[in-house]
Amino acid sequence: EDQVTQSPEALRLQEGESSSLNCSYTVSGLRGLFWYRQDPGKGPEFLFTLYSAGEEKEKERLKATLTKKESFLHITAPKPEDSATYLCAVGLTQGGSEKLVFGKGTKLTVNP
Amino acid sequence: DAGVTQSPTHLIKTRGQQVTLRCSPKSGHDTVSWYQQALGQGPQFIFQYYEEEERQRGNFPDRFSGHQFPNYSSELNVNALLLGDSALYLCASSPPGRWPETQYFGPGTRLLVL
Repeated sequence: EDQVTQSPEALRLQEGESSSLNCSYTVSGLRGLFWYRQDPGKGPEFLFTLYSAGEEKEKERLKATLTKKESFLHITAPKPEDSATYLCAVGLTQGGSEKLVFGKGTKLTVNP
Repeated sequence: DAGVTQSPTHLIKTRGQQVTLRCSPKSGHDTVSWYQQALGQGPQFIFQYYEEEERQRGNFPDRFSGHQFPNYSSELNVNALLLGDSALYLCASSPPGRWPETQYFGPGTRLLVL
């Protein structure tokens, strides 16, 4: 069964305290790995797409990396406005059809 | 340019009833995908429409059905509601041929089934 697991479930950081979120997956037919940010009561907002092991993408204080079995979202010197739930999703191609499987997310809280 | 819009924002129904949720995609987008997000969970893919037909479907029963109109807007219908159908229902739109790499989500419709 295709699985996407995110850890930790919740993370509390002090402003400026760097850390990483993990997304591990056991799937076949990987088409791409996607990171989203979701604020309370809102729809997910796209952050990054990664396609192959070794690929890295950066945006402001966020950097996403990909290996064959997992992805990391590194947050450097976070600010309170980075507080949100971060979702990882894996795009698959299986038997001619496509699927998108999300993890449960990591809820990040950054305290001033 | 308006983003993805959904209506209504909130809805309360009782078990056994039927519900219709609506979605208008971003301008230029022809593909609409629907997701169910239970509290504390990630979104689960329900199905996807383009060219007015259902093209992909997740593991959801036939009680969940949809429709896409010529202007690319879409509806999600759920029949015989169960308590477990309580969730945030998200619609996402994508440009032609760009799902899942590119999709923009709407704010969702929060459905409560009593």
